[in-house]
Amino acid sequence: DAGITQSPRHKVTETGTPVTLRCHQTENHRYMYWYRQDPGHGLRLIHYSYGVKDTDKGEVSDGYSVSRSKTEDFLLTLESATSSQTSVYFCATRDSRNYGYTFGSGTRLTVV
Amino acid sequence: DAKTTQPPSMDCAEGRAANLPCNHSTISGNEYVYWYRQIHSQGPQYIIHGLKNNETNEMASLIITEDRKSSTLILPHATLRDTAVYYCIVRVAQGGSEKLVFGKGTKLTVNP
Repeated sequence: DAGITQSPRHKVTETGTPVTLRCHQTENHRYMYWYRQDPGHGLRLIHYSYGVKDTDKGEVSDGYSVSRSKTEDFLLTLESATSSQTSVYFCATRDSRNYGYTFGSGTRLTVV
Repeated sequence: DAKTTQPPSMDCAEGRAANLPCNHSTISGNEYVYWYRQIHSQGPQYIIHGLKNNETNEMASLIITEDRKSSTLILPHATLRDTAVYYCIVRVAQGGSEKLVFGKGTKLTVNP
């Protein structure tokens, strides 16, 4: 979707290094989400935000942290990447005025 | 945990209606049912959502049973491009925020 940009689109990193993924939106949506997708698991929620500086954990938050210092950006950080965090990461947003969620195109992260 | 149950796979002939079932027997009175689909490794795409009444849009129809314990997504004239994984999701509300919890979905294959 043109309103959501995830960066980088692809990244290969080494075990133990910090990694930050960025989700940028131009829709002024209040809610933002980070999901990961792995074979056999579907999409699992990592963290979400319901406003600037307001974040909460999802079902698979261990090893991840997030920050939202302004409405348009939601950052996902892997403090010390592990091979189990190799995955495709999707960002999503939602406007408080309607019920539709919009997903980004994803970031494919490989930890070697 | 996901609050929905879907068959892992289904097949449909091109041009015929595709009927995708979903069970959500523990749904609460104010929880919406959403349907998304994911083609290849793209981000999930919104299809339709509903609370109690049947809904229709340009993509599909959503039939929700009177007791709200199950629903069916109908693609009236399936095409090869409708081959995708379809997710039935109950939107979970927690305090002042809410989120989508995905299950494993149904892989729909539309055959020529």
